Amino acid sequence: AQKITQTQPGMFVQEKEAVTLDCTYDTSDPSYGLFWYKQPSSGEMIFLIYQGSYDQQNATEGRYSLNFQKARKSANLVISASQLGDSAMYFCAMREWGSARQLTFGSGTQLTVLP
Amino acid sequence: GAVVSQHPSWVICKSGTSVKIECRSLDFQATTMFWYRQFPKQSLMLMATSNEGSKATYEQGVEKDKFLINHASLTLSTLTVTSAHPEDSSFYICSAMATTYEQYFGPGTRLTVT
Repeated sequence: AQKITQTQPGMFVQEKEAVTLDCTYDTSDPSYGLFWYKQPSSGEMIFLIYQGSYDQQNATEGRYSLNFQKARKSANLVISASQLGDSAMYFCAMREWGSARQLTFGSGTQLTVLP
Repeated sequence: GAVVSQHPSWVICKSGTSVKIECRSLDFQATTMFWYRQFPKQSLMLMATSNEGSKATYEQGVEKDKFLINHASLTLSTLTVTSAHPEDSSFYICSAMATTYEQYFGPGTRLTVT
């Protein structure tokens, strides 16, 4: 079974608008971490934001925020005030602290910001 | 943040030859490094987990004799693609654990086998 599901292969957003990238996950480990990475065309994986399963508040990092709904097992990324430079592939990932040290990645969402 | 480098950033080799890719943690020691493979427009697929001083742990379906991983020091892991074939052409990314929680990625190596 897929551990990380990103249902949006591609998304478009107008510059300066907000956009939400969806991510749902599946785990029986009570202790886990959720990550979002940005991968521009250069290929480098850029860490954006982290949410721990025990964190009470949603994580925020500048224009990025993570809408964490634990009961629904979703961890959507919200990008506010989109910029042209935000056009990239975005990956949601999870690490289950009890069982594995490696990250499991979703299939990714290609975001295009329109001028 | 911590820096992970990869060398080379791109390489073209002929079918049947071997190519080595280096992954270095520049400002921290990494007991664990990971090697991923990524095809165009697809996600990262974990190939193996590399632990300093011990044998790598390969994911199911990854040929350990074809993809040789050596983690000889706390700052260096190498991936050698032996007897490369065109189907091995891909983007290879390494990452290193700086702490139990922090994982940093290298910039990737684009391998083309002709």
